[in-house]
Amino acid sequence: ELKVEQNPLFLSMQEGKNYTIYCNYSTTSDRLYWYRQDPGKSLESLFVLLSNGAVKQEGRLMASLDTKARLSTLHITAAVHDLSATYFCAPPRVGVNRDDKIIFGKGTRLHILP
Amino acid sequence: DTEVTQTPKHLVMGMTNKKSLKCEQHMGHRAMYWYKQKAKKPPELMFVYSYEKLSINESVPSRFSPECPNSSLLNLHLHALQPEDSALYLCASSQKLAESTDTQYFGPGTRLTVL
Repeated sequence: ELKVEQNPLFLSMQEGKNYTIYCNYSTTSDRLYWYRQDPGKSLESLFVLLSNGAVKQEGRLMASLDTKARLSTLHITAAVHDLSATYFCAPPRVGVNRDDKIIFGKGTRLHILP
Repeated sequence: DTEVTQTPKHLVMGMTNKKSLKCEQHMGHRAMYWYKQKAKKPPELMFVYSYEKLSINESVPSRFSPECPNSSLLNLHLHALQPEDSALYLCASSQKLAESTDTQYFGPGTRLTVL
């Protein structure tokens, strides 16, 4: 069974600082998804990482994937208050019959202080 | 158009009621999903439909009954729910994950309260 661990689960940081969220997963997966969720809202796709060594950047967020280490990171540069949200990493589990699903980590609640 | 729509946005029902949640997408996606999300928790997968057939049921109680009338629509029929079923119910759609470079797209959700 695919297990996903995010670290930290809660992060309070000052505006302007840098920080990294880590996502470890237990079985082989060649891709990984990152989502953002604002309180009371649905999930918004941030990044789709499709191969080992993939790196994607959008604004102050940069995500990377190391499939050999089974590790993905989400790096926040010069945080601003608007980035306060919960961030989920989610590798897919591709089933034997190609019935597949996404396994979500517990989420990292990011709170950025002005 | 990358939109998944869900109705209703909010639903309050008694334990003896029967209600349905609806989800629609027009992206030509062949996989559709129902998730349940409790506060401060990740979404939990309930059902997956692939090419309009139920492919995954995550041991969901029978008081939840999914239906996929066609490739664009997904329903979740609710009957005799319990207060602990109160949650945000999210619908999502995608191409088959292993065959696509794209992701799952989520609808806005239905906030369900069971009294």
